[in-house]
Amino acid sequence: KQEVTQIPAALSVPEGENLVLNCSFTDSAIYNLQWFRQDPGKGLTSLLLIQSSQREQTSGRLNASLDKSSGRSTLYIAASQPGDSATYLCAVGTQGGSEKLVFGKGTKLTVNP
Amino acid sequence: SAVISQKPSRDICQRGTSLTIQCQVDSQVTMMFWYRQQPGQSLTLIATANQGSEATYESGFVIDKFPISRPNLTFSTLTVSNMSPEDSSIYLCSVVGYSSYEQYFGPGTRLTVT
Repeated sequence: KQEVTQIPAALSVPEGENLVLNCSFTDSAIYNLQWFRQDPGKGLTSLLLIQSSQREQTSGRLNASLDKSSGRSTLYIAASQPGDSATYLCAVGTQGGSEKLVFGKGTKLTVNP
Repeated sequence: SAVISQKPSRDICQRGTSLTIQCQVDSQVTMMFWYRQQPGQSLTLIATANQGSEATYESGFVIDKFPISRPNLTFSTLTVSNMSPEDSSIYLCSVVGYSSYEQYFGPGTRLTVT
């Protein structure tokens, strides 16, 4: 059974700092990996999707990497801003399709002005 | 990306009653899903809503408790039946479009059962 773990559970940083969020999964046979952010009272916003054949994806100040063999992904946020404060969720698409996403519990990020 | 709306956004219900949650997408999509997020927990997939046929449920979820309909390619409903306080959660609808495998989520329905 696929399990996804995110470390740390919570992180507080000063504005402008670069930071890394970690995600690990137990079964390397994944179809893809997706990073989301969740704001209080709102749904999930898709940030980056990495296919199993890819090593990384970038969008603006965000960079996500994937090491399938070791069962790890990282989300790098450059020059953090207070608006980045949210819970970041990692989810893996199980083999055979992206429809069955298995989620981690998330990392709650607070960026202090 | 798809724009997804859910109704209601939140509700407070009494034990033993049922609530139907609606999910509307602004474009036709291949797949629609329903997730549950219990307090302090990660999201868990309840079922895949299949257009014109019975939904496919994940282990631990049954049709009698969570009946799902999907009459067309842009709309689905999830009913939470005979509710108990343990059903208090956020329920989210998600979709996968035709052009990519990226999943998009609705804003969620926050349900509190008293």
